[in-house]
Amino acid sequence: EVQLVESGGGLIQPGGSLRLSCAASGFTVSGNYMSWVRQAPGKGLEWVSVIYGDGTTYYADSMKGRFTVSRDTSKNTLYLQMNSLRADDTAVYYCARSWGHFDCWGQGTLVTVSS
Amino acid sequence: EIVLTQSPDFQSVTPKEKVTITCRASQTIGSNLHWYQQKPDQSPKLLIKYASQSISGVPSRFSGSGSGTDFTLTINSLEAEDAAAYYCHQSRSFPITFGQGTRLEI
Repeated sequence: EVQLVESGGGLIQPGGSLRLSCAASGFTVSGNYMSWVRQAPGKGLEWVSVIYGDGTTYYADSMKGRFTVSRDTSKNTLYLQMNSLRADDTAVYYCARSWGHFDCWGQGTLVTVSS
Repeated sequence: EIVLTQSPDFQSVTPKEKVTITCRASQTIGSNLHWYQQKPDQSPKLLIKYASQSISGVPSRFSGSGSGTDFTLTINSLEAEDAAAYYCHQSRSFPITFGQGTRLEI
């Protein structure tokens, strides 16, 4: 069964750092395009980043320089390192398999940035 | 950045009704437009890919059409379980963008 399970969310102070994980099963992270998408409370969906099979990465402008997407093929896991977090980064963060369309989503992990 | 504008933002509907949600792109995106359904406290679910291609396991009452800048998601004979938010998404160019969402209340 194809499945994605995120973890690592929590409460963090402004300016802090957090690393999210997304464990995949039923397919390989390295053989697919993998994205992070976030959703602020009560708001719509916002794309964060993507990593291609060859390791190429892209980011939304507001995350460039602060967020880094990576993967560990031995663990079949995707990561999102988030630095210099701000209150407006508060959201549920989803990982998704992306071949143009996002055909498989995790359950999401909540990140709350607050003092 | 390609802006996707959905209409309506909200619609109150009744079972068995036919519903149409539109998504307009600020520039042409070919058929690189996808639709998702998100129920409260759930992850989004892919409904339609590449404007009109159906997805295995998605009820046949959901269909999509359009190309270029204007797209439509149609729900025929609405069911109570279709109460959700619906989002369009373009994969034509970076940054990837979503519409603001359409909430259907039944």
